[in-house]
Amino acid sequence: QKEVEQDPGPLSVPEGAIVSLNCTYSNSAFQYFMWYRQYSRKGPELLMYTYSSGNKEDGRFTAQVDKSSKYISLFIRDSQPSDSATYLCAMAEISSGSARQLTFGSGTQLTVLP
Amino acid sequence: DTAVSQTPKYLVTQMGNDKSIKCEQNLGHDTMYWYKQDSKKFLKIMFSYNNKELIINETVPNRFSPKSPDKAHLNLHINSLELGDSAVYFCASSDFKRRGYNSPLHFGNGTRLTVT
Repeated sequence: QKEVEQDPGPLSVPEGAIVSLNCTYSNSAFQYFMWYRQYSRKGPELLMYTYSSGNKEDGRFTAQVDKSSKYISLFIRDSQPSDSATYLCAMAEISSGSARQLTFGSGTQLTVLP
Repeated sequence: DTAVSQTPKYLVTQMGNDKSIKCEQNLGHDTMYWYKQDSKKFLKIMFSYNNKELIINETVPNRFSPKSPDKAHLNLHINSLELGDSAVYFCASSDFKRRGYNSPLHFGNGTRLTVT
């Protein structure tokens, strides 16, 4: 079993829809959670990050972390065709003043249809 | 003014050859990385360098050898290429030593390696 599981999709939604992207994880030591967006033929770019459980909002994007269920989500409101990309979740342990490197999910491919 | 640049963008080569991929960052970051992304988009770290010192070396065949001539450069040399090495290789940088995860990874646009 992989440490981080992510539904690969593909996921197609109409413009304006609310999109929910999800990851589950097995390592309870993960404390740092991120979402990266990767456009075709480009490198991933950071969208959002959070240390804690609960919600964090940034414009049309909301990141949600539920540590008790080992489940994180990214919600996109009023989705736009420009949101079409692959979305990767990433996580890390932070312990003893040092940190291991990120563990990535395999990405969900999203297409927003105009 | 590209932040993390890697060359070449595409690399097609035959099995058994040796090839190099170059990476440069102009962000003044203290840490650089090589990641491998397979055909299923799974992104896995290979190496991490901090100020020219190797700090992470995941389970990677020793045919892969990183080299960091200075803080701004991290090159990847691959010997005796195999079919299974075909993937997209991403260079990245961050200010991890100074800022931890508050400094996100900045990725290059990848080198698409095809071994025939």
